[in-house]
Amino acid sequence: DTGVSQDPRHKITKRGQNVTFRCDPISEHNRLYWYRQTLGQGPEFLTYFQNEAQLEKSRLLSDRFSAERPKGSFSTLEIQRTEQGDSAMYLCASSWGLAGSRGETQYFGPGTRLLVL
Amino acid sequence: AQKITQTQPGMFVQEKEAVTLDCTYDTSDPSYGLFWYKQPSSGEMIFLIYQGSYDQQNATEGRYSLNFQKARKSANLVISASQLGDSAMYFCAMREGGIGNQFYFGTGTSLTVIP
Repeated sequence: DTGVSQDPRHKITKRGQNVTFRCDPISEHNRLYWYRQTLGQGPEFLTYFQNEAQLEKSRLLSDRFSAERPKGSFSTLEIQRTEQGDSAMYLCASSWGLAGSRGETQYFGPGTRLLVL
Repeated sequence: AQKITQTQPGMFVQEKEAVTLDCTYDTSDPSYGLFWYKQPSSGEMIFLIYQGSYDQQNATEGRYSLNFQKARKSANLVISASQLGDSAMYFCAMREGGIGNQFYFGTGTSLTVIP
């Protein structure tokens, strides 16, 4: 078990460009989460998958953001027409959980640090 | 209202001493879980300890213990015998047990261990 991995670890892009991040969860985990973290803040929930189904999406997530988990394994997060305000650390986490469970532990990847110039 | 409140932006502790990091939470769901994570400067979030709302005893994991006071809605993290490697950001988080599956995180406490 190699834990949660994310690629790339760092991304610098120009405003208006599209970027895509990848997350590979722990293999037996059925749940996958994306978070955004800005300096001095805790992680902010973006979206959540149970297997391949995207079950919840934050109201804070604009239409420029889209996430997929096509086969219930790895996931991608795409940001279209990036803005300087998108600069942040994007964290992926995975867990094993049953519906309604409260006690699942999320395991986080190292994050992708995005800088939009 | 904030779901998770951490009122200590920064804390200092002498090596080998104990330190308590505060966390209060807000929920009307009777079923919830409380978590603490450590985030070193490298950026990766490391799970430390979990407390369920129905658990009768306070959770402990090695040098970490969770002081769970349900009536006060507080879930403070106690680190005993602090080590230099404990210097990091610490985040309190909550997950409600209903339909919603979000984890709510606080703003964190920066802990510095002084040799």
